[in-house]
Amino acid sequence: DIQMTQSPSSLSASVGDRVTITCRASQSISNFVHWYQQKPGKAPKLLIYAASSLQSGVPSRFSGSGSGTDFTLTISSLQPEDFASYYCQQSYSTPRTFGQGTKVEIK
Amino acid sequence: QVQLQESGPGLVKPSETLSLTCTVSGGSISGYYWSWIRQPAGKGLEWIGRIYTSGSTNYNPSLKSRLTMSVDTSKNQFSLKLSSVTAADTAVYYCARAGTVTRELDHWGQGTLVTVSS
Repeated sequence: DIQMTQSPSSLSASVGDRVTITCRASQSISNFVHWYQQKPGKAPKLLIYAASSLQSGVPSRFSGSGSGTDFTLTISSLQPEDFASYYCQQSYSTPRTFGQGTKVEIK
Repeated sequence: QVQLQESGPGLVKPSETLSLTCTVSGGSISGYYWSWIRQPAGKGLEWIGRIYTSGSTNYNPSLKSRLTMSVDTSKNQFSLKLSSVTAADTAVYYCARAGTVTRELDHWGQGTLVTVSS
């Protein structure tokens, strides 16, 4: 199985801050990485697919980068509605695997 | 807009079989991979497995011996059966659709809580 190591597991930030979350794969997976946002009691929502493509309807303050083993999700200016948990996921091979998640909290 | 809805019992007894169905509306079930994902309370996401509309499946090896997935294209539904459940199978279960190129999970159901308890 491909392991997805996500960091940090949690962070505190203020509205307007730039936030970066990283995900490292245990082997090269090209660009088959996707990022999801999950709010309490809700299903995950796709933000970024194929490492850097913005899903339709997602604000442009969200961006993704990386290829191979190292990937990054960036929120350029944190908004109140962005306080949530974020997960990376690989679709390079089965079983699909997720990072352990990053909880973004209000400072 | 494609919508997914999970349905099934919210309470299952230990050693019995957990059965869930996902109904797809607003689009055809054909030509896509359909996945199940679960999330224990306060924990992360675990991919359970997927089925293609042809009936081809891929299962998580950690669950494979207890898992059966099926699809009914005439009803726009796919299903999950997990046998011999224990308390460790208590979780919110989600169904989701995978995109056609890079297989991201682009549409999700709202999730259904399944509790394993006597």
